[in-house]
Amino acid sequence: GAVVSQHPSWVICKSGTSVKIECRSLDFQATTMFWYRQFPKQSLMLMATSNEGSKATYEQGVEKDKFLINHASLTLSTLTVTSAHPEDSSFYICSASRTSGSDEQFFGPGTRLTVL
Amino acid sequence: DQQVKQNSPSLSVQEGRISILNCDYTNSMFDYFLWYKKYPAEGPTFLISISSIKDKNEDGRFTVFLNKSAKHLSLHIVPSQPGDSAVYFCARGLQPTGGAGGTSYGKLTFGQGTILTVHP
Repeated sequence: GAVVSQHPSWVICKSGTSVKIECRSLDFQATTMFWYRQFPKQSLMLMATSNEGSKATYEQGVEKDKFLINHASLTLSTLTVTSAHPEDSSFYICSASRTSGSDEQFFGPGTRLTVL
Repeated sequence: DQQVKQNSPSLSVQEGRISILNCDYTNSMFDYFLWYKKYPAEGPTFLISISSIKDKNEDGRFTVFLNKSAKHLSLHIVPSQPGDSAVYFCARGLQPTGGAGGTSYGKLTFGQGTILTVHP
């Protein structure tokens, strides 16, 4: 149990376009989902925390207008990278927990974004 | 300000020997530390954790040591197996609100990761 999926697993897009990444909890309801980003040879950096039905909380330095997060249901959160640029190329990983900040995080497999 | 650091990008160990993965941290008082394992194209999976009120936690082949005075924790894997080859991340999270041992909760701060290769 506690499986989290991400779609797509990889995506290549042109500079200036928007890309949507989905994160789904397949066998449990996720009250809270987290979005992380990992650049090559660097650690996973938390971008934002989203609770179902409310606005996401963004970490310092993360542009909320550029990285749009929607957590409309208990099994789905989406991250949209708007007007993507090459510097947004990264590995994006989501995690989900059953309750608000008080349960284990289960991680998705990640999405590799390459912006040309 | 990197609060959790893994200074060794890679480690190579012979099968059957001990693997020691290290992690340093800053600015901690009552936190919770975890180790995650990650295979390529997969998300991190939880391995073992330790509360800052303890100095050791053991689970099978995995033992985590916490040296609070040195702000250092390490993961020992013994004996190492080829299937242990992966990227290992240390992370810091919030103190759990309930239950003993196991997992961490809330926001996680990760180190850069160490690639462990166990040779047959």
